[in-house]
Amino acid sequence: DVQMTQSPSSVSASVGDRVTITCRTSQDISSWLAWYQQKPGKAPKLLIYTASDLQSGVPSRFSGSGSGTHFTLTISSLQPEDFATYFCQQASSFPWTFGQGTKVEIK
Amino acid sequence: QVQLVESGGGVVQPGRSLRLSCAASGFTFSSYGMHWVRQAPGKGLEWVAVIWHDGNNKYYADSVKGRFTISRDNSKNTLYLQMNSLSVEDTAVYYCASAYCSGGSCYLGNWGQGTPVTVSS
Repeated sequence: DVQMTQSPSSVSASVGDRVTITCRTSQDISSWLAWYQQKPGKAPKLLIYTASDLQSGVPSRFSGSGSGTHFTLTISSLQPEDFATYFCQQASSFPWTFGQGTKVEIK
Repeated sequence: QVQLVESGGGVVQPGRSLRLSCAASGFTFSSYGMHWVRQAPGKGLEWVAVIWHDGNNKYYADSVKGRFTISRDNSKNTLYLQMNSLSVEDTAVYYCASAYCSGGSCYLGNWGQGTPVTVSS
């Protein structure tokens, strides 16, 4: 199985800050990686797929990069509605696996 | 618009069975792979199972293999998860999700609101 290591587990930031979340995989997954956003009590929402493609309707302040075993999610200018938990997920091989999550909190 | 509505969750004793359903609407259900994902209280996401659009291929997480069965009825636009031999470790909110495919792979494009399952004596 592909192991996912996501960091940090939490980050405190202010509105307007740039936030970067990292996801590393235990083996090369090419670009088969997605990022999801989850708010409390809600289902996750797909933000980015194939490492860097923005899902329709997702603001352009979100961006993804990376390939192989190292990936990043960047929020260029944090907005109040972005405070949530973010998960990476590999789609290279079954069983699909998720990172542990990063909680973005208000500073 | 795409709508996925899970049902069938509840409280069940260890060792017993439960069947979850996911009613789909707003898209051509028979054309999409479907997944189950779960989230234990206060924990992260765990992928559970996938079924191909035609039901011919299925994959499971090691933690549920041999106990859970994913199935679908394309005539009823409904996805199922039969859960047997439940243990306390299966306590979670269970989400169904439809596949969003692009660039050679698929992801979890649309999600239901989830149905909670509590395994407790």
